[in-house]
Amino acid sequence: DQQVKQNSPSLSVQEGRISILNCDYTNSMFDYFLWYKKYPAEGPTFLISISSIKDKNEDGRFTVFLNKSAKHLSLHIVPSQPGDSAVYFCAATPGGTSYGKLTFGQGTILTVHP
Amino acid sequence: ETGVTQSPTHLIKTRGQQVTLRCSSQSGHNTVSWYQQALGQGPQFIFQYYREEENGRGNFPPRFSGLQFPNYSSELNVNALELDDSALYLCAGRDISGNTIYFGEGSWLTVV
Repeated sequence: DQQVKQNSPSLSVQEGRISILNCDYTNSMFDYFLWYKKYPAEGPTFLISISSIKDKNEDGRFTVFLNKSAKHLSLHIVPSQPGDSAVYFCAATPGGTSYGKLTFGQGTILTVHP
Repeated sequence: ETGVTQSPTHLIKTRGQQVTLRCSSQSGHNTVSWYQQALGQGPQFIFQYYREEENGRGNFPPRFSGLQFPNYSSELNVNALELDDSALYLCAGRDISGNTIYFGEGSWLTVV
């Protein structure tokens, strides 16, 4: 039972353009959503998060949008840079005392071409 | 700098053996979680510790156990290792000042 899904295994984007990574979830108990970037042989690096009471959160080049009714979130990277090439994971948690219990998607490999 | 340090970075064990993985978390991380990441998949939640008590467990058998110590360090123990236990094991700490969870670099376990 895959509660968090990233349906695009890979995405290829030109440098300077927008990258849009998508994520769907099924569990209505999820209250917080986080995005991570991961390079090979490294741990995941936190990028940005959003609470279910918001529909948008922005941090520099990264913006996360949440559509709670559709159980869908997306990460926008503008402008994309070659250094952004990595695997991106979305994760969801019920929050509260279970906040540390993250459920991850399978990841999307982003490649940004110079 | 995530404030989460794991050791060892790589290790090889034989099927049936036992392994202990360690995690050091900075003082602001009072919740520690452990994850298993197999190749090509997202991390899978093993369990979470809060104030030295386990308070959440994923779909992993009892041979996966853990400890959290007063200094916020933590251990993951796996008994009776199986070949499928080969994976990257990640430790994560929750920043008590916000809603951010930081991961360590991970420990690569190979079971042969």
